[in-house]
Amino acid sequence: DADVTQTPRNRITKTGKRIMLECSQTKGHDRMYWYRQDPGLGLRLIYYSFDVKDINKGEISDGYSVSRQAQAKFSLSLESAIPNQTALYFCATSEGGLVYNEQFFGPGTRLTVL
Amino acid sequence: AQSVTQLGSHVSVSEGALVLLRCNYSSSVPPYLFWYVQYPNQGLQLLLKYTTGATLVKGINGFEAEFKKSETSFHLTKPSAHMSDAAEYFCAVSVVAGGSYIPTFGRGTSLIVHP
Repeated sequence: DADVTQTPRNRITKTGKRIMLECSQTKGHDRMYWYRQDPGLGLRLIYYSFDVKDINKGEISDGYSVSRQAQAKFSLSLESAIPNQTALYFCATSEGGLVYNEQFFGPGTRLTVL
Repeated sequence: AQSVTQLGSHVSVSEGALVLLRCNYSSSVPPYLFWYVQYPNQGLQLLLKYTTGATLVKGINGFEAEFKKSETSFHLTKPSAHMSDAAEYFCAVSVVAGGSYIPTFGRGTSLIVHP
C-alpha cells in the first residue's frame, strides 16, 4: 500500500462549488504539506503543518483552507472554487527535526474547475 | 530568502547521451539541496540530496550531482540517458531560517529522451 494517499485522484467541478481534497499517510511523519503544480511554475506551497495543532500559510494560501484532523490526515478545502484553481495538487510528508529530511509525495489530485 | 533557478524548462537528449540538468541556488546560509523526479502521472520522489561532507552526491538510477559553493550550483548529471529517464526533474533548497525550514522548489525541467 502507498505511504501517502490522496483522494480523489481526479475531480471536475464547477465555479463556486466547495471542494475538499484529502490526504492520508502511514509513514508516521509529523509534518504535512499541500502544494499545487502548474505547468512552468513548479510546485508552490499552499499550507503546511508541523503537528496536529500547528497550521501555517504558504506562499499561495488565498482561496484555500486546511484541516489537520489527526497526525495522519491533512485536508485541503476550496471554499468556492474558481477556474484558476485548476491544477495538480500534491500532498507531502516529512519527518521533523532535521532541515535535510526529504519529503514524500502522494500521487496527486488533478482538479478541474469549469 | 532562499531560491532555486533551473535553467531550461525542457532538455532534449538522445538515448545514450550525457544528461545535464542545471540548478543554481541563492541562500545566505549553508543550503541543503535536493533533486526530485516526477514520472508521468506520479508524485515526486527523491533522486538525491546534499547535506554536508562530500560534494559529489550519488543518487538512484545512475544520477549524481555536485555541490559547488563557489558557483552556487547543484547540477544533475547522468553519463548515459535511457528512455526511462524521461520525466520532470525538480531542484529544491532547504535552509534553516527563523526556526523553521521549508523546501523551496525550482520550476522544473522536463527531460525528453529520443531513441
